[in-house]
Amino acid sequence: QKEVEQDPGPLSVPEGAIVSLNCTYSNSAFQYFMWYRQYSRKGPELLMYTYSSGNKEDGRFTAQVDKSSKYISLFIRDSQPSDSATYLCAIAGGTSYGKLTFGQGTILTVHP
Amino acid sequence: GAGVSQSPSNKVTEKGKDVELRCDPISGHTALYWYRQSLGQGLEFLIYFQGNSAPDKSGLPSDRFSAERTGGSVSTLTIQRTQQEDSAVYLCASSQRIAQSTDTQYFGPGTRLTVL
Repeated sequence: QKEVEQDPGPLSVPEGAIVSLNCTYSNSAFQYFMWYRQYSRKGPELLMYTYSSGNKEDGRFTAQVDKSSKYISLFIRDSQPSDSATYLCAIAGGTSYGKLTFGQGTILTVHP
Repeated sequence: GAGVSQSPSNKVTEKGKDVELRCDPISGHTALYWYRQSLGQGLEFLIYFQGNSAPDKSGLPSDRFSAERTGGSVSTLTIQRTQQEDSAVYLCASSQRIAQSTDTQYFGPGTRLTVL
């Protein structure tokens, strides 16, 4: 079993839709949860970061962490064609201090 | 200054050859990481360097892979006797420090390696 599981999609939605991206993880020692966005032929860039359980909102993006279920989510409201990218969840903490463990990535396409 | 840079951007090599991939981190960043991104595998951690400490090599897939960081700045990832399964995008990242796991890692654009 992988430490982090993420549905690779692909996911295709119309402009303006609410997008929900999810990951599950297996190691309860992880404490730091991140979402990266990666455009084609580019390196990943940090989108959202959350420590422990709870919600964090930044503009159209909301990250949620439920440590009891080992489940993390990223919601995108009013999705735009410019949001089309691969979204990767990443976790850190415990014995993997300093290195990130990534999910497989979900390919998202927002069509006009 | 500039972000993380990597060279070459693309590398095509023949099976059995050695390759060297270079990473220039953001100036002043003490931590440097190498990851590999393969189709269907996602991003896999390979190795990280923090200051003068011994590197964490726990992600290197075989002894054909090695990396060094000279002068606490530029890093080179070397793959000896390349195999077709080494074909992937190799990504480098750097961060200001490793004291906390929350440090933002800034990624370079990657080197796309193709082994024929």
